[in-house]
Amino acid sequence: QSVLTQPPSVSAAPGQKVTISCSGSSSNIGNQYVSWYQQVPGTTPKLLIYENNKRPSGIPDRFSGSKSGTSATLGITGLQTGDEADYYCGTWDSSLRGYVFGTGTKVTVL
Amino acid sequence: QLLESGGGLVQPGGSLRLSCAASGFTFSSYAINWVRQGPGKGLEWVSGISGGSEFTYYAESVKGRFTISRDNSKDTLYLQMDSLRADDTAVYYCAKSTGPNHYHWFDPWGQGTLVTVSS
Repeated sequence: QSVLTQPPSVSAAPGQKVTISCSGSSSNIGNQYVSWYQQVPGTTPKLLIYENNKRPSGIPDRFSGSKSGTSATLGITGLQTGDEADYYCGTWDSSLRGYVFGTGTKVTVL
Repeated sequence: QLLESGGGLVQPGGSLRLSCAASGFTFSSYAINWVRQGPGKGLEWVSGISGGSEFTYYAESVKGRFTISRDNSKDTLYLQMDSLRADDTAVYYCAKSTGPNHYHWFDPWGQGTLVTVSS
């Protein structure tokens, strides 16, 4: 059981926007950077967002991240069929002294 | 670049050692991690080791059974897995951290190696 909770799935039509929440606690999201990973089925996870809201080179600005208190949010605008994937949040947990991933959210483009 | 190897089929209670060969960056300057993903399941962080091997961290699920190590002269990370159980069955990825003992995010990831624990 992960200490970071995400909705199992979200969906929207092409061109629309989706948001994915990641809920944690003061020992993880509350005082640590949050990152987000995209995993297209059958492929390796890819870093999407780091330090709460920064995008690595090559990640389009359709993807955005934010953090408030013990929760974080990933936003995807202008949804495309290629965005269909599983998305995971992640952060260090100072109580567990280990890295933790969220439960994962499957994004479906209708 | 990270390239894992060593996966395979092993019986319950058996052992296996995974390797992760790194290239394209100063290996000793970064912590490296093992992350696994069981069939149809989410990502689970397994273990991490600092750049100079001073610090090691483990998930509770593998503590006492798995040992992480690295050889900076060979730019290679290892995971010694003992007392394997069926629920250790997963694809095991190695992933580079953000600094010598920082674990803020992981990038890049290797392609993964499959470990199957079954009789």
